[in-house]
Amino acid sequence: DIQMTQSPSSLSASVGDRVTITCRASQSISTYLNWYQQKPGKAPKLLIYAASNLQRGVPSRFSGSGSGTDFTLTISSLQTEDSATYFCQQSHSSPPYTFGQGTKVDLK
Amino acid sequence: QVELQQWGAGLLKPSETLSLTCVVYGESFGGYYWTWIRQPPGKGLEWIGEINDRGSTTYNPSLKSRVTILVEASKRQFSLKLTSVTAADTAIYYCARYDGSNSFDYWGQGTLVTVSA
Repeated sequence: DIQMTQSPSSLSASVGDRVTITCRASQSISTYLNWYQQKPGKAPKLLIYAASNLQRGVPSRFSGSGSGTDFTLTISSLQTEDSATYFCQQSHSSPPYTFGQGTKVDLK
Repeated sequence: QVELQQWGAGLLKPSETLSLTCVVYGESFGGYYWTWIRQPPGKGLEWIGEINDRGSTTYNPSLKSRVTILVEASKRQFSLKLTSVTAADTAIYYCARYDGSNSFDYWGQGTLVTVSA
């Protein structure tokens, strides 16, 4: 299975800060990388697909980049409603599809 | 718009069989893979398996011996059975749609399944 490693596991930032979360795959996955946001008690929500494509309805302050093994999710200006846990997920080749362990973003 | 609604028993004893069903409202049922994903409380996400409208399945090798996913396309429903559950199977179980962009774009509300004697 392809292992996905996120860093950091948690972070604390202020409203308006630029926030960056990284995700590393154990082997090259091209751009088969997605990002999800999960708030407590809710199902994950797709933010970014294919590494850099913004899902419909997701604010433009979210962006994704990377290819191969290294990927980044950036929130350009953190908002109160962005407090959540973020997961990366790879969908390269055949299943099983695997997720990172998550990054919890808190507001200072 | 697509909506997934799921249901099933929330409390099981060890060795029993977990059974969940998910119904899909909205867009076409065909042309997608319908999946089950679980999340132990406070932990990460684990892909369980998938099925398409024709019944073609793929399972996570770590669970393959205990998992069955079935589809009733006429009812726009798919289901999950997991046999011989233990406390390690305690988790929130989600159904989700795997779409053409190779991502899980719609999710059910989740069902907490607790395994306890």
